[in-house]
Amino acid sequence: GAGVSQTPSNKVTEKGKYVELRCDPISGHTALYWYRQSLGQGPEFLIYFQGTGAADDSGLPNDRFFAVRPEGSVSTLKIQRTERGDSAVYLCASSLGQTSADTQYFGPGTRLTVL
Amino acid sequence: AQRVTQPEKLLSVFKGAPVELKCNYSYSGSPELFWYVQYSRQRLQLLLRHISRESIKGFTADLNKGETSFHLKKPFAQEEDSAMYYCALKSTGNTPLVFGKGTRLSVIA
Repeated sequence: GAGVSQTPSNKVTEKGKYVELRCDPISGHTALYWYRQSLGQGPEFLIYFQGTGAADDSGLPNDRFFAVRPEGSVSTLKIQRTERGDSAVYLCASSLGQTSADTQYFGPGTRLTVL
Repeated sequence: AQRVTQPEKLLSVFKGAPVELKCNYSYSGSPELFWYVQYSRQRLQLLLRHISRESIKGFTADLNKGETSFHLKKPFAQEEDSAMYYCALKSTGNTPLVFGKGTRLSVIA
């Protein structure tokens, strides 16, 4: 079946602009995670949704970052007033969300470049 | 605090040689440990997890709680094993993964 998809695959924007990154999880997966991967680093957690609600947003770096999942499926990560330090690959993952053993399946990522 | 350390950024081995990718962790409790792999131009994917105690593509990893390690091993490296490998941990429940910085494995023919 179809895996996790993310759009766009690449996004170039200017400092100060607003961007939205989209994640389509695997159908039926109730848990959805956003991670950010900077150059030379492993993925770092941003926010986790269980259904429509954000169960853990402790990884969001500041209030410029916000994410929604209004219908419990697609999620959008929103970044306001982008800064050059926001440049990274943004990864989305989903899992069944039923048990601790559920595997997190990752999307291909969105590479964000802030000029 | 939860932390995963992968001390090697790059590991180069010859085809047929044994491979060991090191992973140490810091966690107060009983974590779940994973190895994820990212092949060139592909997405991050699960390789194996300690609770399964299985061998995938010839790789194994044993959780050593005394040394807080979860090293990944393969007795005979293959060229197709060349990839980026990430060690990760999570607490029980539907919780996010904490990743190490990754080790790039290069298998030389």
